[in-house]
Amino acid sequence: KAGVTQTPRYLIKTRGQQVTLSCSPISGHRSVSWYQQTPGQGLQFLFEYFSETQRNKGNFPGRFSGRQFSNSRSEMNVSTLELGDSALYLCASSLGFDRANTEAFFGQGTRLTVV
Amino acid sequence: AQKITQTQPGMFVQEKEAVTLDCTYDTSDQSYGLFWYKQPSSGEMIFLIYQGSYDEQNATEGRYSLNFQKARKSANLVISASQLGDSAMYFCAMSPESYNTDKLIFGTGTRLQVFP
Repeated sequence: KAGVTQTPRYLIKTRGQQVTLSCSPISGHRSVSWYQQTPGQGLQFLFEYFSETQRNKGNFPGRFSGRQFSNSRSEMNVSTLELGDSALYLCASSLGFDRANTEAFFGQGTRLTVV
Repeated sequence: AQKITQTQPGMFVQEKEAVTLDCTYDTSDQSYGLFWYKQPSSGEMIFLIYQGSYDEQNATEGRYSLNFQKARKSANLVISASQLGDSAMYFCAMSPESYNTDKLIFGTGTRLQVFP
């Protein structure tokens, strides 16, 4: 079956702009989580969506937002970009309701560079 | 609050040798899951192995095994017979065993380099 697809793979934006990243989970998976990875802060949880509802959120400012569609595809949006938002953004797909060995499957990430 | 600690920023191992990557965790939850992921330079996180907090036996997946010591709150990854393709970043992660979230908390990672 197809894996997790994140688009675009690479993105360069200017400070102050906004950006939208997309994640298509594995078919049948209802949970999509987003993570930010930077050399300084490591991997940090942004938020999780399950059945179109945000059910968990990390400690990020309101400039970071997301949504999930009825087909489980998810988008995250970052408004008013700052240089510190430069990072690898990873999306993880999981079943979302089976706690027995529910590994999350990750996409290849979107590398965002803010200049 | 839950926390994962990986104290080894980098490790070197010779091909065909075994290597242990350390991971300790902190949580007040009774039920939780522990994971190891591999991240090659391409960026994708690859699931390796999972251990549930109530599992009495250590998890194994091929050349990977998880040395789970609950009382010491450690979940070390053992890679047997290292291969050159094992060179990558390795992350230990934890998740509450809840039906309400699939959130993962990651450690800072260990960069493993396998040399011939």
